[in-house]
Amino acid sequence: DAKTTQPNSMESNEEEPVHLPCNHSTISGTDYIHWYRQLPSQGPEYVIHGLTSNVNNRMASLAIAEDRKSSTLILHRATLRDAAVYYCIPGVNAGNMLTFGGGTRLMVKP
Amino acid sequence: DVKVTQSSRYLVKRTGEKVFLECVQDMDHENMFWYRQDPGLGLRLIYFSYDVKMKEKGDIPEGYSVSREKKERFSLILESASTNQTSMYLCASSFLVGSNQPQHFGDGTRLSIL
Repeated sequence: DAKTTQPNSMESNEEEPVHLPCNHSTISGTDYIHWYRQLPSQGPEYVIHGLTSNVNNRMASLAIAEDRKSSTLILHRATLRDAAVYYCIPGVNAGNMLTFGGGTRLMVKP
Repeated sequence: DVKVTQSSRYLVKRTGEKVFLECVQDMDHENMFWYRQDPGLGLRLIYFSYDVKMKEKGDIPEGYSVSREKKERFSLILESASTNQTSMYLCASSFLVGSNQPQHFGDGTRLSIL
């Protein structure tokens, strides 16, 4: 399994962009990079995933480095509701299993 | 929207009891998963199932069993509950075809074993 490194915590101001980094230097060439988040008292929630090129959806953007050893989740305008733990997960195991690491706790200040 | 429903948000049981945690999904997903989440340890996979009556062990299956009699329902069973099984339990589901299908999670059951 690819190992990931994420900051333990980050802080942002409301309505400002947030860039959440993830290093996954041992990722294999066919592994997708997945991002999930977990709001307080809820189960994890899928955010976005990608392979090589940058990806956008209604929740966020995913920027993937050319060598694929790192990626950045971008929240374009943070809201208080975006305060959560964000997990970067490179690749899935057989059977579509996810392996969650420690994640980054994002705090959003009004 | 996909809905994964876990039968209880909070549950308190006694040591030695047989405990059933139920999970139902409404999106006709083939895959279903049971995780537990503990502070400092993150989410760990207990069991998963990719079809009715099929099951596969995850990383920490000891002390647990599962049942999948219908496609939409996946049950986690603690045969004889112990205090070290006090935890948050999370159920998830996904499509099988295409290994990068997103998993959809329920809101969890916080189980306390006294």
